[in-house]
Amino acid sequence: AQSVAQPEDQVNVAEGNPLTVKCTYSVSGNPYLFWYVQYPNRGLQFLLKYITGDNLVKGSYGFEAEFNKSQTSFHLKKPSALVSDSALYFCAVKDNYGQNFVFGPGTRLSVLP
Amino acid sequence: SQTIHQWPATLVQPVGSPLSLECTVEGTSNPNLYWYRQAAGRGLQLLFYSVGIGQISSEVPQNLSASRPQDRQFILSSKKLLLSDSGFYLCAWSGASGTEAFFGQGTRLTVV
Repeated sequence: AQSVAQPEDQVNVAEGNPLTVKCTYSVSGNPYLFWYVQYPNRGLQFLLKYITGDNLVKGSYGFEAEFNKSQTSFHLKKPSALVSDSALYFCAVKDNYGQNFVFGPGTRLSVLP
Repeated sequence: SQTIHQWPATLVQPVGSPLSLECTVEGTSNPNLYWYRQAAGRGLQLLFYSVGIGQISSEVPQNLSASRPQDRQFILSSKKLLLSDSGFYLCAWSGASGTEAFFGQGTRLTVV
């Protein structure tokens, strides 16, 4: 069975500092990994994905994530946080056999001015 | 380009009343379609998914049902709403294996 863990309920960072939102996963086949962001009362917006290739993937709004197969992790990063990055972030996984996405519980990011 | 439409944005319904939420996708064919429920602004619970017309898989036994009468239309229904059906409902679509899912703007359902 597939599963996703986001060990931090809440992450607080100061504006201009680097941010990391953690994600670990478990799948039976090769993982397809995704990050989404959600603003209040809105749907989820796609940020980036890892399917294959380079372990470091770059996405929207300056975000990037690093796939680490040995640690089964896919942490989201940004070199310099903005107050407007404050939102709820979801990691998701899909294996290469299935049609369904499994989402983590979400991490609330607060960027303090 | 592909777009997904979900309506209504908000809905207040009395207990015991029926429900119909509609989701349509434009600009693609034969999408995989999904209904999720999000409680209290946190995790997403997959309710139903569909890989084709008339093909519905249910992930969680509950008071809801789904139908896919057309290739790009996905409907979430209930005959009699319960208080526990309140939540934020999200429709999504994805293409071939490995592609990301794209979400609608969501429906905030409050059962009173």
